[in-house]
Amino acid sequence: EAGVTQSPTHLIKTRGQQATLRCSPISGHTSVYWYQQALGLGLQFLLWYDEGEERNRGNFPPRFSGRQFPNYSSELNVNALELEDSALYLCASSLGPYYLFGQGTRLTVV
Amino acid sequence: KNEVEQSPQNLTAQEGEFITINCSYSVGISALHWLQQHPGGGIVSLFMLSSGKKKHGRLIATINIQEKHSSLHITASHPRDSAVYICAVKTSGSRLTFGEGTQLTVNP
Repeated sequence: EAGVTQSPTHLIKTRGQQATLRCSPISGHTSVYWYQQALGLGLQFLLWYDEGEERNRGNFPPRFSGRQFPNYSSELNVNALELEDSALYLCASSLGPYYLFGQGTRLTVV
Repeated sequence: KNEVEQSPQNLTAQEGEFITINCSYSVGISALHWLQQHPGGGIVSLFMLSSGKKKHGRLIATINIQEKHSSLHITASHPRDSAVYICAVKTSGSRLTFGEGTQLTVNP
């Protein structure tokens, strides 16, 4: 069975542009979580989607947004990119207490 | 103070040594996860604990709910165990709160 898949694996954008990151959860998992791991920092919670609804968001500005589609895949959008948005963005899916993580998208803002 | 504290931050060991990584948390949790992150970023879930002890191969994880403490042990460590080990707790709202991670280097 395929794991949690994220695309693209790497993304380079210039300051002010928009970035779109995608995540496909494990089949049957309805919850998708997005986390940011900036260089030298720990993982920070960004967003949680479940059954197509945003359930919770972390302490990030509104430039960070997303959605979950009927097939439970998810998109993370970052508008008006800033240099400090450069980070590894990880997606995880869960069913009950078990989490599985994707390999991440490394976003570089230049 | 972070809700999840790990120690040590960095750990260097010789192949074959017994390794312990500690995690303390200050909030009520429903579960605690131990994760492994290799260079390149991908994260693998090692254990999910809500009580007691779990063992998988050379890895052992324990949790003491009363003391709000968990440990990850690696027996007979190997260079391929070199990675960042992250403790994460599941609090309200299903989100995970992460420790800062422990960078483990096992030398041959």
